[in-house]
Amino acid sequence: DAGVTQSPTHLIKTRGQQVTLRCSPKSGHDTVSWYQQALGQGPQFIFQYYEEEERQRGNFPDRFSGHQFPNYSSELNVNALLLGDSALYLCASSSGQGIGEQYFGPGTRLTVT
Amino acid sequence: GQQLNQSPQSMFIQEGEDVSMNCTSSSIFNTWLWYKQDPGEGPVLLIALYKAGELTSNGRLTAQFGITRKDSFLNISASIPSDVGIYFCVSGRNRDDKIIFGKGTRLHILP
Repeated sequence: DAGVTQSPTHLIKTRGQQVTLRCSPKSGHDTVSWYQQALGQGPQFIFQYYEEEERQRGNFPDRFSGHQFPNYSSELNVNALLLGDSALYLCASSSGQGIGEQYFGPGTRLTVT
Repeated sequence: GQQLNQSPQSMFIQEGEDVSMNCTSSSIFNTWLWYKQDPGEGPVLLIALYKAGELTSNGRLTAQFGITRKDSFLNISASIPSDVGIYFCVSGRNRDDKIIFGKGTRLHILP
């Protein structure tokens, strides 16, 4: 039984570029949440997708957008990258909307230069 | 906005000691989760709490959901080297609310 998987593992982008990160949830889960974790900080909630719709959103600008597919996998898109977007991006899957027992992937390390 | 205050920020202990950490907020929450994160990895769920007053154990770990619904604590008994890492409390109020992480408690075990 595969857990949560994320791709790519690492990514280097230039300021102003756009990036897409991908997440496949744990088998049996239908909800995907995305988090940004800066070095030395706790994860910050970006948004949650359930039934292919964004259900809750944290304090992130519209440059951060996402999508959930019918197979429950999800993408996180970040436009007009800033140096401050450099972070570990974590995906977590769970069953049902809201705060539940979330299982995290290993993350994608994004570096913006 | 809603915040979770974790304390202590870091702990230095001897192997075999018991550990206690807590998480408090000015807001009432319906769920408390405790996670551990090792360097370069995603957080791993340790314990989930859903009812005020609930006390739950997972091996050497014990966590409680505070009666006021504004706090939770996590205890680790007889610490071992693999307990080193960052422990996060996570909470939220309901299905429509965003999910909040504490800033973490960094546990170090002295040789």
